[in-house]
Amino acid sequence: AAGVIQSPRHLIKEKRETATLKCYPIPRHDTVYWYQQGPGQDPQFLISFYEKMQSDKGSIPDRFSAQQFSDYHSELNMSSLELGDSALYFCASSLAGRGLKDFGPGTRLTVT
Amino acid sequence: SQQGEEDPQALSIQEGENATMNCSYKTSINNLQWYRQNSGRGLVHLILIRSNEREKHSGRLRVTLDTSKKSSSLLITASRAADTASYFCATDPRGGTYKYIFGTGTRLKVLA
Repeated sequence: AAGVIQSPRHLIKEKRETATLKCYPIPRHDTVYWYQQGPGQDPQFLISFYEKMQSDKGSIPDRFSAQQFSDYHSELNMSSLELGDSALYFCASSLAGRGLKDFGPGTRLTVT
Repeated sequence: SQQGEEDPQALSIQEGENATMNCSYKTSINNLQWYRQNSGRGLVHLILIRSNEREKHSGRLRVTLDTSKKSSSLLITASRAADTASYFCATDPRGGTYKYIFGTGTRLKVLA
């Protein structure tokens, strides 16, 4: 069965650069979530989309923005990158109200 | 402190023993889920328990939920070295939200 796809899997950027992370949810899933997990930390909720509309917002910095497109894929745009943005970024998808069971493999972002 | 706190934060046991991890949360929830994460890898969904359920089993996993105490426990029976991982609980707060809040995680080490 198809899983959540994230690209790229690894990304290295310098401070003050921008990065775009992509997420392709499981077909027919209507909700996408983004999480950030720093080294040794728990996953922190950033933002979610339901049916292409932003549905909830967590601890997402103003330097970050995200959107969900008509084909349901989502992109997380990160600008003015800082060293502290180095983390594993997970995308997950679900059918609303059915539990969060499907996470992508994550994108490991390293900011130097 | 944040929703979904795991206890203990680290646990080391011998193969064949049982491992119990606890999670406490603060707000009313729709459901609670447990995940496993191998070092630096993706999040794997283990089990979902709904707020009207008290206990669920899946293979060697047993999850309990006590909504009056706002706590859950994950029991892994007859542990194996391959169970070595971090285990997180995540809660789906009641109130029409589209986010899941993760706790700090328990790092389980099973010694062969």
